[in-house]
Order: sequence, then C-alpha cells, then structure tokens
Amino acid sequence: AQTVTQSQPEMSVQEAETVTLSCTYDTSESDYYLFWYKQPPSRQMILVIRQEAYKQQNATENRFSVNFQKAAKSFSLKISDSQLGDAAMYFCAYGAGAGSYQLTFGKGTKLSVIP
Amino acid sequence: DTAVSQTPKYLVTQMGNDKSIKCEQNLGHDTMYWYKQDSKKFLKIMFSYNNKELIINETVPNRFSPKSPDKAHLNLHINSLELGDSAVYFCASSQVLSSGVNEQFFGPGTRLTVL
Repeated sequence: AQTVTQSQPEMSVQEAETVTLSCTYDTSESDYYLFWYKQPPSRQMILVIRQEAYKQQNATENRFSVNFQKAAKSFSLKISDSQLGDAAMYFCAYGAGAGSYQLTFGKGTKLSVIP
Repeated sequence: DTAVSQTPKYLVTQMGNDKSIKCEQNLGHDTMYWYKQDSKKFLKIMFSYNNKELIINETVPNRFSPKSPDKAHLNLHINSLELGDSAVYFCASSQVLSSGVNEQFFGPGTRLTVL
C-alpha cells in the first residue's frame, strides 16, 4: 500500500520569508500524481499545487512551487514571500495513475506565519 | 456556484441517535467520496462511489451507510452514534479519467459532535 509521510508536524515562518514543507511517499508505481492541499482554519480543503510524475519539470503556482525528486520519492512544497493567509494545515497527497479512485494523504504540517 | 456542498455544516447530537449528512456536487463528476478527519487532523477515506456504484469501502463500522441516489449526490447515514464518531466529515468529488490526474474537490466539511 502507498504511504505518504510528512515528517514536520509543525513549522513556522516569518512573514515575507520562504519556507519548505517536506513530503516523502512510497510507491512501486511509475505513473502517479502528487498534490499539496491547504486547510486554513475555515477547514475548507483547497488544492494548492499538483505534479504529474511523468513530468520532470517542477510545478509552480505563483508563490508556491514544488521540488519533485522522483528517484528519492520526495515532493516538497516551497512557499515564497509568506503571507499571513498562508497559515494553515498543509497536506501532501498521493494518487495512483490514470483511472485510480483513491488519494492517500499524509498527516499534515501545521504552518504558522509570524508577523 | 458552489462546487461541492454539504449539509449541515455543524451537527450536534446525543449518543445513540441516527443522523444523515448530505452532499451534492454540480461539477458533473462521476466519482464522489466520504472522508473522516479526526481530532489530530488525519484525513482518511471511508467510501467512494463511481456512477452510483460503491468502489471503495474502507474498514468502517457498518453503522455508517453511504447512499448515492444519482451521481451528483452522495449521502452518509450514521446509525447509533458513538462518542468516537465525533469528527469532521468531508465529501469530495472528482472525474476519474482513463488518462490524466484525478484531482479531488472537497466540500466545506461537516463537524459532527456526539455528546
């Protein structure tokens, strides 16, 4: 079974600084997808960024980017120019290849942003 | 223009009662899910329906019964509620493709408190 590990239960960052959240996963598949979801105090789950395993280029969405290391099975999220609104739980998730129904989530990292 | 909606958002009830949570999506997706998020924020899949057919049924007490009247709705009925059922329940939907990413869209969650 696939597993997703987020080794940092909590992290903090100064406003305007950069922070990196770690995620590793275990799979024997070659075709899969990886996601970062954000859950602010409102508890709504919001997709931040996604990465297709077959793509070598790291995904980027504005201030959010990933460092995808396929051989190391690592998928970290970098948040640049951190803002107060970035404070939230961040979940890394793994989805097997096309036609798969299930996402496996990590246990989350709680990010605090210090003004 | 809500994509995935759940009712109610909050539910407080006594042990032993039976309650239902409703979910509707207007995204035209063919697959819907129920997740349980416990007090430690761990997100775990409970059920998944594809075109009204049950495809994922994780180890969940049989007091929990999902029902999908059509592919836009997936309701969760819980019998004989227990204290341990207190959690946030999320509905999600996705379009599972033979190729391409299975990105799940989440509802706002229902916080269930059993007294």
